Amino acid sequence: QVQLVESGGGVVQPGRSLRLSCAASGFSFTIFGMHWVRQTPDKGLEWVAVISYDGSNKYYADSVKGRFTISRDNSKNTLYLQMNSLRPDDTAVYYCAKVVSGAPPRPMDVWGQGTTVTVSS
Amino acid sequence: QSALTQPRSVSGSPGQSVTISCSGTSSDIGGYNSVSWYLQSPGKAPKLMIYDVNKRPSGVPDRFSGSKSGNTASLTISGLQAEDEADYYCCSHAGSYTWVFGGGTKLTVL
Repeated sequence: QVQLVESGGGVVQPGRSLRLSCAASGFSFTIFGMHWVRQTPDKGLEWVAVISYDGSNKYYADSVKGRFTISRDNSKNTLYLQMNSLRPDDTAVYYCAKVVSGAPPRPMDVWGQGTTVTVSS
Repeated sequence: QSALTQPRSVSGSPGQSVTISCSGTSSDIGGYNSVSWYLQSPGKAPKLMIYDVNKRPSGVPDRFSGSKSGNTASLTISGLQAEDEADYYCCSHAGSYTWVFGGGTKLTVL
């Protein structure tokens, strides 16, 4: 079955960097785009970024553009989110999600269990 | 990329039907047939219930249905069951391969 396992979360000071990973299994990772979505108790779910199946196309929410970078390594079935210049309002649970099958743009299908990022001094 | 508008809470008794609305604009819901709905139980990851306005993934009961009229999408749950109690989020494509979520609706089964 489809499985997505996020890792790399933790506590980090404002202005520092963190890289999240999402290990995929149970499906053909190389043919599906992938999303990152984050969630806070205050703002609920917020879409962060999406990457095409081959990594050639990447799109970001305005709130993270220029600070976050989505990438993937299809040889390792792994998705990444490099987060730079972190701010306290980036504190959230971060989920990776596989896209629904079909021609893009496609929404989120199966989600991982999430990894928690806390930005605090 | 403003959030879509959902009611904070809805409720219904077992066996009844409830409808959750999701209001957007012509730049998101009204502009694309790409509305999806997610169920989230406490401490769990969201689960896809409806995509492309009214399509159900395999395994989702046909008690769940979706629709759209203009800039507003709706999720209807018929034959309400205790296990349907959860938070529900709508999501829409918002152009240029970006996405926007609603603030979430807490469904209580009385």
